[in-house]
Amino acid sequence: DTEVTQTPKHLVMGMTNKKSLKCEQHMGHRAMYWYKQKAKKPPELMFVYSYEKLSINESVPSRFSPECPNSSLLNLHLHALQPEDSALYLCASSQPRGSEAFFGQGTRLTVV
Amino acid sequence: DAKTTQPNSMESNEEEPVHLPCNHSTISGTDYIHWYRQLPSQGPEYVIHGLTSNVNNRMASLAIAEDRKSSTLILHRATLRDAAVYYCILRNAGGTSYGKLTFGQGTILTVHP
Repeated sequence: DTEVTQTPKHLVMGMTNKKSLKCEQHMGHRAMYWYKQKAKKPPELMFVYSYEKLSINESVPSRFSPECPNSSLLNLHLHALQPEDSALYLCASSQPRGSEAFFGQGTRLTVV
Repeated sequence: DAKTTQPNSMESNEEEPVHLPCNHSTISGTDYIHWYRQLPSQGPEYVIHGLTSNVNNRMASLAIAEDRKSSTLILHRATLRDAAVYYCILRNAGGTSYGKLTFGQGTILTVHP
């Protein structure tokens, strides 16, 4: 199984809502990532978890809160988002050192 | 973080070879050269990676310059399904940027039938 599964595929939320994005992998990878991608732009790294610990936060606003409950799961909790946060949110996993990363198909988020 | 420079776009005809260049003049000794591609409406897909020697796999070949300041992704026979944005990425295997996979602007490859 070389899949990274992201749910939901699409999400529409209001600016006062709280929602969560979920990412799951069963490849035994110990590094997991969240990326944000705006239309016609490259993915931007948000967070990296290594061995279930947050190792990199790319100065992401606190309205985005990541969580790694175990080595297979990665969540992104969303609260009080702005319309400009509308984007494709991608999850990826890999072994921590130098090897290939596998990406999910993303969650298309629209903030209204 | 070491940066990469790629042409904004390239075009190819179907069944012809494609050479996608990437410059990375500030590469460090612990940076691996990775290539990913992203088809429309999909997440990025791993293509190939290498450190110093040329690499081949079922999808492509990676040619790395002797001084490692540039590399070329080679698609031996382009198909319409190869039309995508191709990203050349330096991934550090140690140091403070350990684990990061940072995307640049990429090259939009158009394949003509």
